[in-house]
Amino acid sequence: EVQLVESGGGLVQPGGSLRLSCAASGFTFSSYEMSWVRQAPGKGLEWVSYISSRGTTIHYADSVKGRFTVSRDNAKTSLYLQMSSLRAEDTAVYYCARESEWPNDAFDIWGQGTLVTVSS
Amino acid sequence: DIVLTQTPLSSPVTLGQPASISCRSSQSLVHSTGNTYLSWLQQRPGQPPRLLIYKISNRFSGVPDRFSGSGAGTDFTLKISRVEAEDVGVYYCMQAIQFPYTFGQGTKLEIK
Repeated sequence: EVQLVESGGGLVQPGGSLRLSCAASGFTFSSYEMSWVRQAPGKGLEWVSYISSRGTTIHYADSVKGRFTVSRDNAKTSLYLQMSSLRAEDTAVYYCARESEWPNDAFDIWGQGTLVTVSS
Repeated sequence: DIVLTQTPLSSPVTLGQPASISCRSSQSLVHSTGNTYLSWLQQRPGQPPRLLIYKISNRFSGVPDRFSGSGAGTDFTLKISRVEAEDVGVYYCMQAIQFPYTFGQGTKLEIK
């Protein structure tokens, strides 16, 4: 079964750090581009970060640039999001999503999400 | 950044009746390859998003054929031919032609 499972969320104080993980299974992880998408409570979807299949190309939303770092370990079939200098507005459910192969380019597989709460 | 504007933001629909959601982009979503990277996602209450439609009109695996997508350039539409109870949720359009990827605000589909 094709699956993405996020972990690492929790309660963190403003200014703190957290590392999210996304474990992939059921497909050739190293062949797919991946993204992180977040959803603040009661709000819509916001794309956060993208990483190419080999990790050579990376993009970030302006709202997290300089504070978040995306990475992947294809040998471990895992995606990561290192978050630092966290703010209250980073509170959200964080999803990892697989981008389907070219030329389809859509988020075809999503994890269940992990909740990050930034609060003192 | 590309802005996607969805209308309506809320859509009360009678079971068995059709529903339609519009998504308008602030710029063309046609890639230099000729592909248009506009997709539609469904998010049921308490669930992660789920891909319904990719490249304007292609139904993803397992998506019922009552869902259809159409449009071109900057104007796109998601249609549900006959709404069923399981269709309740929020629908998002999304563009993947350029970074940052962006989503529409979401349209909440509810049963009258």
